[in-house]
Amino acid sequence: NAGVTQTPKFQVLKTGQSMTLQCAQDMNHEYMSWYRQDPGMGLRLIHYSVGAGITDQGEVPNGYNVSRSTTEDFPLRLLSAAPSQTSVYFCASSYSWSPQNIQYFGAGTRLSVL
Amino acid sequence: SQELEQSPQSLIVQEGKNLTINCTSSKTLYGLYWYKQKYGEGLIFLMMLQKGGEEKSHEKITAKLDEKKQQSSLHITASQPSHAGIYLCGAEGGYGGSQGNLIFGKGTKLSVKP
Repeated sequence: NAGVTQTPKFQVLKTGQSMTLQCAQDMNHEYMSWYRQDPGMGLRLIHYSVGAGITDQGEVPNGYNVSRSTTEDFPLRLLSAAPSQTSVYFCASSYSWSPQNIQYFGAGTRLSVL
Repeated sequence: SQELEQSPQSLIVQEGKNLTINCTSSKTLYGLYWYKQKYGEGLIFLMMLQKGGEEKSHEKITAKLDEKKQQSSLHITASQPSHAGIYLCGAEGGYGGSQGNLIFGKGTKLSVKP
C-alpha cells in the first residue's frame, strides 16, 4: 500500500516550458487536491477534485490545469512555466470531500523554474 | 476568509524539555488537523480535533482544542531529536464551497538540541 505517490521528486524547468506533475493514490479515495508551499506563505490550494471527472479551482489556480479521468490519478499541468511557479508541490487525498476526513499527503515535488 | 496563525514561528529547545505550539483561528474551527513535516517528506498526519474542549494524545504529543473552538495547542513532553521538524495546523476552510478543503497556518519550525 503506497499511499499517495508523486513524481518526479525534483524538476528544473526553463521559463516557458511545460510539464506535468504526477499524483497517484491507491486508497480508492474520492477527494484529491494539489497545494503549493512557499516560504512565508504556507500551503495554498491550487485545484481539487471531489471525484473522477470533477475538478474545481482553489485559491491559486492561474497557470495550472488539472484533469481527473480516473479515481487513482490527478495530474497537475504547468502550461508555460514561470519563475513565480518555483515552489514545492504537494498532492493530497482523502476518502471523501466531506469534512472530518483525514487528508494524506505525498512526499512533494520540488520545482525550480529558471 | 478564515486565517490560521501559528506561534511561535520557530522554536529551539534542549532535548528533554517540554514545549507548546499554538494555532489561532479568525473563525470558529469545525475540524482542526495537526501535521508534521520533515525536509524532503510530505506532511504526516498527527491528530484531528473536532469538539470544543477535546484533547488527544499520541505518545508524547498532546493536542487540545479550546472550548470556544478558535484555538488549538500542541504540547510535546520531554522532547527528543526525532520531534524536530515543521508543525502545521490545518482547518476546514470551506474554500470553493467544499468543506473538505483545508487552509493551513504557516508552520512552526522546531529544532531539538541533543
